[in-house]
Amino acid sequence: AQSVSQHNHHVILSEAASLELGCNYSYGGTVNLFWYVQYPGQHLQLLLKYFSGDPLVKGIKGFEAEFIKSKFSFNLRKPSVQWSDTAEYFCAVITLANYGGATNKLIFGTGTLLAVQP
Amino acid sequence: GAGVSQSPSNKVTEKGKDVELRCDPISGHTALYWYRQRLGQGLEFLIYFQGNSAPDKSGLPSDRFSAERTGESVSTLTIQRTQQEDSAVYLCASSSPFFPAGAADTQYFGPGTRLTVL
Repeated sequence: AQSVSQHNHHVILSEAASLELGCNYSYGGTVNLFWYVQYPGQHLQLLLKYFSGDPLVKGIKGFEAEFIKSKFSFNLRKPSVQWSDTAEYFCAVITLANYGGATNKLIFGTGTLLAVQP
Repeated sequence: GAGVSQSPSNKVTEKGKDVELRCDPISGHTALYWYRQRLGQGLEFLIYFQGNSAPDKSGLPSDRFSAERTGESVSTLTIQRTQQEDSAVYLCASSSPFFPAGAADTQYFGPGTRLTVL
């Protein structure tokens, strides 16, 4: 079955530290990849997404992610985190075997809780 | 409205009772999804609507769960004879019918309904 793994469940960083959150998926075909973020007390918001083309994707608030097909990975990065980045981060994938009339269901990882200390 | 709305925001019920959860998608979004998030777990897909039909119900965990959508807008998720393991946050998302070929459109999430079964 298709799945998404986020290996870091809880990350604690100091402000200005660099961030990398791991995400791996299991599916051999074409995928669309997403990172969603949930700030405290708010609902899930899209951070960035990859469909095709340049594997380095830039999102909001200085975040970026790199799709490495050979590693089935889509890691999220930010060079310098801020206290306001404290949130839960979810990696998700749509497998394009499911796309186009059948289903567009997102398959989510279990999330990474990031706490940034001022 | 401007975003996906869900009601109620919180629901506490007794084991064995039926509950109905409501989702109002973004106007014009023909695709609607239900997910749930149990404590400490990632989001699990439940059901996908395209218009008023549901081509993918594969995530519904049992026949106690059902969903319908009328008028290509509002959707209701019904859980009959609730059990304690149904306690979770139930999330609704919607997406636009217009997107580039080969790409799955972004799903926009509502704030969720937190269901607690005592």
